[in-house]
Amino acid sequence: RKEVEQDPGPFNVPEGATVAFNCTYSNSASQSFFWYRQDCRKEPKLLMSVYSSGNEDGRFTAQLNRASQYISLLIRDSKLSDSATYLCVVITGGQGFSFIFGKGTRLLVKP
Amino acid sequence: GAVVSQHPSWVICKSGTSVKIECRSLDFQATTMFWYRQFPKQSLMLMATSNEGSKATYEQGVEKDKFLINHASLTLSTLTVTSAHPEDSSFYICSARVKSSYEQYFGPGTRLTVT
Repeated sequence: RKEVEQDPGPFNVPEGATVAFNCTYSNSASQSFFWYRQDCRKEPKLLMSVYSSGNEDGRFTAQLNRASQYISLLIRDSKLSDSATYLCVVITGGQGFSFIFGKGTRLLVKP
Repeated sequence: GAVVSQHPSWVICKSGTSVKIECRSLDFQATTMFWYRQFPKQSLMLMATSNEGSKATYEQGVEKDKFLINHASLTLSTLTVTSAHPEDSSFYICSARVKSSYEQYFGPGTRLTVT
């Protein structure tokens, strides 16, 4: 099993739809999780952290399921501008921590 | 806050020459910086992790003598692609880890084309 796995997509959704992505991780000792967004030919940008209790930022909700070892990102009321690749990041370790990026899930929001 | 700059943003060089890319954290101290490479329509690939004042840790398959990394201060890391070849053409992105946090902030990237 790969360390961090994401469905590459693309997820094609109409504007206004709700869409969710999952990201599974293999190391149960993983301790921090993030979602990044990357637009075509641009650098990744931090979208949100994923807390154990879940967190919400506007139309975006991130959740962590430690028992099943996955994190999720829910986007409500999709906008055309949400079209991008969404990368999950899993951090494992203490002093010798490692950042593991997923390969990303591509989202296409269509009018 | 948490702004990372990279310079140059794009460069074209001839095969056999060396190219230096700078990565700076503008408004915070970055004890750790990361260098990634991304080929078109591919995912990010971590090349090396750079800690201020110590040698970089390279990922498997990345030649340390070809990709020289220097992290001389808490706000600057450089990547030098030595004796560049066309297959080194890629999008090189750095990121900096905010001290006492796991958050990484990325520079805008450098697009390298080797002719």
